[in-house]
Amino acid sequence: AQSVSQHNHHVILSEAASLELGCNYSYGGTVNLFWYVQYPGQHLQLLLKYFSGDPLVKGIKGFEAEFIKSKFSFNLRKPSVQWSDTAEYFCAVTAYNTDKLIFGTGTRLQVFP
Amino acid sequence: DSGVTQTPKHLITATGQRVTLRCSPRSGDLSVYWYQQSLDQGLQFLIQYYNGEERAKGNILERFSAQQFPDLHSELNLSSLELGDSALYFCASSARTGNTGELFFGEGSRLTVL
Repeated sequence: AQSVSQHNHHVILSEAASLELGCNYSYGGTVNLFWYVQYPGQHLQLLLKYFSGDPLVKGIKGFEAEFIKSKFSFNLRKPSVQWSDTAEYFCAVTAYNTDKLIFGTGTRLQVFP
Repeated sequence: DSGVTQTPKHLITATGQRVTLRCSPRSGDLSVYWYQQSLDQGLQFLIQYYNGEERAKGNILERFSAQQFPDLHSELNLSSLELGDSALYFCASSARTGNTGELFFGEGSRLTVL
């Protein structure tokens, strides 16, 4: 069965620090990969997604993620975080051509000014 | 605003009771998904409907059931409630099925079972 692991449960950073959140998935076939974000009091929304092509994908608000197939990883990065990036971040995966979006347990990011 | 509407936003009930959560997808979206978010288990996929038919099933308990109506809104029925069912229940919708693209999430229904 597919699963997603997010190693960092809670990350605390100062503004302007660089961010990298880890995500590993277990599935042997072709996958689609996603990062969703949930700002305090708001609904989940898509940050970025990878279906195929360039393994480095850029999303909204300066976020990017790199798909490394050999490592089954899809880590999220941002070179310089802002206080407004405080949120919970979820990595998710679907097996190719299926509808079951499986989420990781989430990483809570707190950014202090 | 994602365009997905969930009601009620908050619900407090007792063990053994039954509740119904309602979801209206974005206009034009045919797929509806239900997720349960709890502190200890994260976001768990429950079930998905596409144009009225069950499409995929996840970790949904037998005490839970769902359906999608002809107008595409969906209901999640939770019965014989237990304390452990307390969670945030999210509905999401998408335009199509297969090669899942972006899901649009509602703000969730917070269920508290006392």
